Amino acid sequence: EPEVTQTPSHQVTQMGQEVILRCVPISNHLYFYWYRQILGQKVEFLVSFYNNEISEKSEIFDDQFSVERPDGSNFTLKIRSTKLEDSAMYFCASRAGGRTDTQYFGPGTRLTVL
Amino acid sequence: QKEVEQDPGPLSVPEGAIVSLNCTYSNSAFQYFMWYRQYSRKGPELLMYTYSSGNKEDGRFTAQVDKSSKYISLFIRDSQPSDSATYLCAMSRINDYKLSFGAGTTVTVRA
Repeated sequence: EPEVTQTPSHQVTQMGQEVILRCVPISNHLYFYWYRQILGQKVEFLVSFYNNEISEKSEIFDDQFSVERPDGSNFTLKIRSTKLEDSAMYFCASRAGGRTDTQYFGPGTRLTVL
Repeated sequence: QKEVEQDPGPLSVPEGAIVSLNCTYSNSAFQYFMWYRQYSRKGPELLMYTYSSGNKEDGRFTAQVDKSSKYISLFIRDSQPSDSATYLCAMSRINDYKLSFGAGTTVTVRA
């Protein structure tokens, strides 16, 4: 069964450093999402991406964040200058398209900012 | 008022019991409703998806939606220890597929 994959599973970085989290969505899916989950809190929407541009972003997704689909398979989330409060699980999700289909999530990347 | 409210539990039941989970929401624009299961430090796994009010059954799982009351439920029959996980409700608007999640209910099924 096709699945969303994410790398790395765990990333440790120093405050102020740049990180890139990578996702490979399901191959025929057209819509891509990033969510995050701070430990003990809700899963929160960050950004949606379609046709090589951002469709919508939350207020969390400030200028420190960017997304890119550099080739036909990868979808990346970059945090330019990490802060302690960026420590969270980051989930990538993808959706095929159409009115009633659903999002499938990857296993997540645990980001720890020291 | 929070957009999506879900009692975080925890909920502990004996094996074979019926597990009952629910969420309420405040935004009547929500039209798509999902239940995800999440094991510790893993990604959410889709369990059930519903669009209209009423019941939807899939094996041991039944999802209910009552749009007039802004209330959704998930029932797990004949619960098993492997059902022990956190269950997340999620919902979205028509033509806007970003998901709004509940806080998740942690369920333990005791053997």
